Amino acid sequence: GAVVSQHPSRVICKSGTSVKIECRSLDFQATTMFWYRQFPKQSLMLMATSNEGSKATYEQGVEKDKFLINHASLTLSTLTVTSAHPEDSSFYICSARLPSDEQFFGPGTRLTVL
Amino acid sequence: DAKTTQPPSMDCAEGRAANLPCNHSTISGNEYVYWYRQIHSQGPQYIIHGLKNNETNEMASLIITEDRKSSTLILPHATLRDTAVYYCIVLSNTGKLIFGQGTTLQVKP
Repeated sequence: GAVVSQHPSRVICKSGTSVKIECRSLDFQATTMFWYRQFPKQSLMLMATSNEGSKATYEQGVEKDKFLINHASLTLSTLTVTSAHPEDSSFYICSARLPSDEQFFGPGTRLTVL
Repeated sequence: DAKTTQPPSMDCAEGRAANLPCNHSTISGNEYVYWYRQIHSQGPQYIIHGLKNNETNEMASLIITEDRKSSTLILPHATLRDTAVYYCIVLSNTGKLIFGQGTTLQVKP
C-alpha cells in the first residue's frame, strides 16, 4: 500500500512551547489529509481535515487556533500544537487519502508535554 | 454517518480462522465498509474494503451480507502478529473515517 510518514516519531516539550508535526505522503499525491488524536486506551478521534491549498476544516470541539494545520503541497501537511500544555500530550496520527478514497495512515507522533 | 457495532474483544487460536463481525444497519446504498487494524502504538493499517460484493486480498476476506447491514472480516490463518484492535468503519460521503471502539483480537498460541 501507499506510504505515509510522520516526523518526529516522538517529541517531548515544555509547557507553553509550540510543536510542529509533519505528515508526508511518500509515493503519491494527496489533496486531502486528516489529523487524528488518540489518548491511551481510547480510539482515534478525528481532529481536522487538511485540504491542499485551502483552510483546514476542524471537527466540533477542536480549537483551530491551538492546532494550526498547513497543507502547503500535495505531499505535506503540518500540524502545529501551539502553547502546548500537559493535557495536549497524546498520540497524533495523520492519514492521506488517495483519489480512490482509500486512506493510509502514518506511524504516529507521540507528544509529551512536561 | 452510519455507525458500526463490534464486539469489544475476541480470542482466536493461532492457525485458526478469525472471524470478526460488524453491524452497520444504517449504512446507505453507496457507502463503503472499510476495515483497519491498529497494533499497539502504531498507526492504523488498511486491511480491506467493500461495497456489496465479497472481497479478498492477501491479508483477509470481507463478507458483506446481501442487505449490507452487517459484514465479517476473516483472517484465514491467524498468527500471533495479528493481535491488534480491528476497526470496522463506514466511509461517510464526506470522506471521513470515524473510528469506533473496535474489536481487540487476541491470538493465542
